[in-house]
Amino acid sequence: GESVGLHLPTLSVQEGDNSIINCAYSNSASDYFIWYKQESGKGPQFIIDIRSNMDKRQGQRVTVLLNKTVKHLSLQIAATQPGDSAVYFCAETGTASKLTFGTGTRLQVTL
Amino acid sequence: IAGITQAPTSQILAAGRRMTLRCTQDMRHNAMYWYRQDLGLGLRLIHYSNTAGTTGKGEVPDGYSVSRANTDDFPLTLASAVPSQTSVYFCASSDFAGPYNEQFFGPGTRLTVL
Repeated sequence: GESVGLHLPTLSVQEGDNSIINCAYSNSASDYFIWYKQESGKGPQFIIDIRSNMDKRQGQRVTVLLNKTVKHLSLQIAATQPGDSAVYFCAETGTASKLTFGTGTRLQVTL
Repeated sequence: IAGITQAPTSQILAAGRRMTLRCTQDMRHNAMYWYRQDLGLGLRLIHYSNTAGTTGKGEVPDGYSVSRANTDDFPLTLASAVPSQTSVYFCASSDFAGPYNEQFFGPGTRLTVL
């Protein structure tokens, strides 16, 4: 079946450095992708999205890159801050126009 | 403005008992969703409602039922809880149905079935 996966379950980054979180997807028909941030004890929060007709989209301190050739999505966080510590997961449009979510990567920001 | 509220925050339930998880949103969103989140599996859609009065089955609907009598409320009922339903449950809503509309999530309900 279709799946969305993440390469690294835990990423440790020093404060001020850039973070890169990766996501592989298998549904070549997916045309919309989202990154979510989930802090401990809270619900997921939308960060940024991208449509398949784009390969890059920038937000405030975050950039999403989409490589459709290898079905790979990444989230880049510039100047990582302690408040960025959370679980990040990607989602894609799956079957029946419903979102399929990845399992998540925990980002730990060290001082 | 509260956004989405869920109740209870957490619950321990004996197997076989009936349980209703409550979800209320004050954003007048048309679509609402119930997900469960299990370690290593990511969020999985249980049921959804594109608009008040309609519901649909998601990826893992067995053992759960929902109703959508009005725009604001979307309760999830476990008729006879089983240990495999131990999970964290998230309710979400979006302005309109469909994956292209941003979903706003509640704080979650942690349910343990013994």
